[in-house]
Amino acid sequence: GENVEQHPSTLSVQEGDSAVIKCTYSDSASNYFPWYKQELGKGPQLIIDIRSNVGEKKDQRIAVTLNKTAKHFSLHITETQPEDSAVYFCAASVSGGSYIPTFGRGTSLIVHP
Amino acid sequence: EAQVTQNPRYLITVTGKKLTVTCSQNMNHEYMSWYRQDPGLGLRQIYYSMNVEVTDKGDVPEGYKVSRKEKRNFPLILESPSPNQTSLYFCASSPYRDRSYEQYFGPGTRLTVT
Repeated sequence: GENVEQHPSTLSVQEGDSAVIKCTYSDSASNYFPWYKQELGKGPQLIIDIRSNVGEKKDQRIAVTLNKTAKHFSLHITETQPEDSAVYFCAASVSGGSYIPTFGRGTSLIVHP
Repeated sequence: EAQVTQNPRYLITVTGKKLTVTCSQNMNHEYMSWYRQDPGLGLRQIYYSMNVEVTDKGDVPEGYKVSRKEKRNFPLILESPSPNQTSLYFCASSPYRDRSYEQYFGPGTRLTVT
């Protein structure tokens, strides 16, 4: 089955710095890669996703890149703010049909004011 | 307001006492699923449902049951809870867009089995 590795497990940055979280996956059939943000005491919330026919996607301060050949994808957050502090999860799945996503183990991002 | 609701939010119970965690969504989504979240393990899918009366196992289904009699509801049933089912549980629902599922998660249910 699919295996998703996520690094780092903890990331501490100063406000205004950039943050990068990386994930690798094993199943070459995976073609849908969402990222979720989980704030303390809440459920995960989808913040951005990318499909295999796209190499990069941006939404304001957040961007995701995908390298299908190397089987890795990354989340980039620029100009970090304290409210970006949360746990971030990547996931990989095959779109269409049944859907059993495989999640990474999460990255705890701490943005220091 | 579009949302996924779960009840109860917190539950402490004893081994072997049957319990049900309810999940409801008001977005008319076809797809619903249950996850458990454990420290260091991320989110693991327990069961999912593609539509009414259609359910299937996820990665960790042992010890759990589900039903989907109505589109909006997807309860999780633990017939005989055990301490290893102590966890944080999330329900999620999804529309089917662009051949992918964008999941909307509920607020979570923290279950402790003693």
